[in-house]
Amino acid sequence: DARVTQTPRHKVTEMGQEVTMRCQPILGHNTVFWYRQTMMQGLELLAYFRNRAPLDDSGMPKDRFSAEMPDATLATLKIQPSEPRDSAVYFCASGLLGTPKGNTEAFFGQGTRLTVV
Amino acid sequence: LAKTTQPISMDSYEGQEVNITCSHNNIATNDYITWYQQFPSQGPRFIIQGYKTKVTNEVASLFIPADRKSSTLSLPRVSLSDTAVYYCLVGDGPFGYSSASKIIFGSGTRLSIRP
Repeated sequence: DARVTQTPRHKVTEMGQEVTMRCQPILGHNTVFWYRQTMMQGLELLAYFRNRAPLDDSGMPKDRFSAEMPDATLATLKIQPSEPRDSAVYFCASGLLGTPKGNTEAFFGQGTRLTVV
Repeated sequence: LAKTTQPISMDSYEGQEVNITCSHNNIATNDYITWYQQFPSQGPRFIIQGYKTKVTNEVASLFIPADRKSSTLSLPRVSLSDTAVYYCLVGDGPFGYSSASKIIFGSGTRLSIRP
């Protein structure tokens, strides 16, 4: 049963600390998305990768957020330094998009609930 | 990407049929309409996708009129477990090919089912 795996599921940290969230996409998927969800803003697309290359990270605060895909099995989202306003649920999703074979839907992980105090 | 508009919230009762309508006046010729469902504390999951007329699967039906400027997600005989947020999205479909394909969510419709 293929699924997107995110770690950690929950993270509480103090303001100013570095936070790293990890995602293992479904094997064979070429696209990885990072979303942030809050009550006020809903589901926001932060960044996404196609074949490990960043395609768009315009939704991400560049000064403190960074997203990488060191290999095809791992995507990371890092916040340094973290702030209370970063408290949210962060979702990773993967899919097979933008290929001559067509597009699948996005498959989401369970999310990382981040609380910055 | 075409903008979508859907009701913020809806209430219904167990056993009823629920129809959620989404407006997408600027839908492009190549765009498909996709619906996702999100339960509390979970990520969204795909429900159904269509291009025109009617699509039905084991979970829902999707009705799309000829002008494609709106679509209606129909949930037959809902139960308490259908309480969730439902998102309507418009964009590249299963046979689309765009190097910049991405998936953008709107505000969604919060559906509450009561006993």
